[in-house]
Amino acid sequence: QSALTQPASVSGSPGQSITISCTGIASDVGGYNYVSWYQQHPGKAPKVMIYDVRKRPSGVSNRFSGSKSGKTASLTISGLQAEDEADYYCSSYTASNVVFGGGTKLTVL
Amino acid sequence: QVRLQESGPGLVKPSETLSLTCTVSGGSITSYFWSWIRQPPGKGLEWIGYIYSSGSTNYNPSLKSRITISVDTSKNQFSLKLSSVTAADTAVYYCAREKVRDGYNFGVFDIWGQGTKVTVSS
Repeated sequence: QSALTQPASVSGSPGQSITISCTGIASDVGGYNYVSWYQQHPGKAPKVMIYDVRKRPSGVSNRFSGSKSGKTASLTISGLQAEDEADYYCSSYTASNVVFGGGTKLTVL
Repeated sequence: QVRLQESGPGLVKPSETLSLTCTVSGGSITSYFWSWIRQPPGKGLEWIGYIYSSGSTNYNPSLKSRITISVDTSKNQFSLKLSSVTAADTAVYYCAREKVRDGYNFGVFDIWGQGTKVTVSS
């Protein structure tokens, strides 16, 4: 199964908002409301930031939000902060497994 | 709180079997799904497979022929075996717990180990 498609990089200035897209197919992103987003700082394990398309785990800032339209899910980070600079990965549940996106490097200018 | 710790050899020879163990501390391994996920150097994440505490498994179709995941509830551990490894299997290997809702899993990994780097080389 192919990885989900994410932009390789995005950037924004402190205080701005950015959106990262995640495009799949009908049998993954398009077929289930089980998209998650993970933040990974260099040398660290990933951390779940959004699950079930738009739910935030306890402790995750409300600056992080998720949405989905058709086969494309999106992660929006508002009020960008220096600590948000990291790699971000989307994932989708499918009927038989879990598929991840290729990752997006977020640079805070 | 629940913590996961991977352990195993950091170097494996081509064609041999990679073996890793994940130890769960601070909580029980029962009634959860436990996954292995890997990340090749400079690349993205790849789900390898999961095991439920009862022993039922589900593997990534692309790796299925080479994978065995097992669980030892008495030791609060689960393990990964990946056979016939090549350089393409060089990666950081993570173990992770999957969030459970009403007895089902939906691909949400809420707790991760720190990861262990495995290099395949002669």
